[in-house]
Amino acid sequence: DAGVIQSPRHEVTEMGQEVTLRCKPISGHNSLFWYRQTMMRGLELLIYFNNNVPIDDSGMPEDRFSAKMPNASFSTLKIQPSEPRDSAVYFCASSLVAGASNTEAFFGQGTRLTVV
Amino acid sequence: GENVEQHPSTLSVQEGDSAVIKCTYSDSASNYFPWYKQELGKGPQLIIDIRSNVGEKKDQRIAVTLNKTAKHFSLHITETQPEDSAVYFCAAKNNDMRFGAGTRLTVKP
Repeated sequence: DAGVIQSPRHEVTEMGQEVTLRCKPISGHNSLFWYRQTMMRGLELLIYFNNNVPIDDSGMPEDRFSAKMPNASFSTLKIQPSEPRDSAVYFCASSLVAGASNTEAFFGQGTRLTVV
Repeated sequence: GENVEQHPSTLSVQEGDSAVIKCTYSDSASNYFPWYKQELGKGPQLIIDIRSNVGEKKDQRIAVTLNKTAKHFSLHITETQPEDSAVYFCAAKNNDMRFGAGTRLTVKP
């Protein structure tokens, strides 16, 4: 497997524009996480899905942020409208949860978002 | 929700010395504790993990310990090498996975 694949790797956009970040989890994994990483706040959990269903989106900073997982192999994180303070590296991670047993989460390479 | 605290935020050691990073967590239901290493421009990579039914785990120069009663877990790196220099994150997982703030480890040759 190629691992967790995120696109684009880099995104530069103007304030007010819509931004869509994409993630393809590892095949067979049923849990997907979106994180935002900044120097000030570290790795923040934004939202996670189990079996394509959003379980906890309490980390989503504002209504401008939304995430979807239409199927087991694809997820998007959308920011509309984007603001300069959204500039960060956004990571997607996936893992397999089977019953009460957790397995390791694998991270993608991240999307570096710059909003000017 | 889970709250993970990590110390120290920076750590500088001489090559060959040991490095210890400590974390605490708040949710007693957390049952899985991974450690990640992040190098510049890359995503975090798992280096070792421990589950709540185990107190200690070792993999070559890396070891982790877990004290469930005190909700503490630690990463120990022995015989450090310059290539160990990176940012290390601890995490605690029940359903979601929460991270500590990270420790920037510098190993001086």
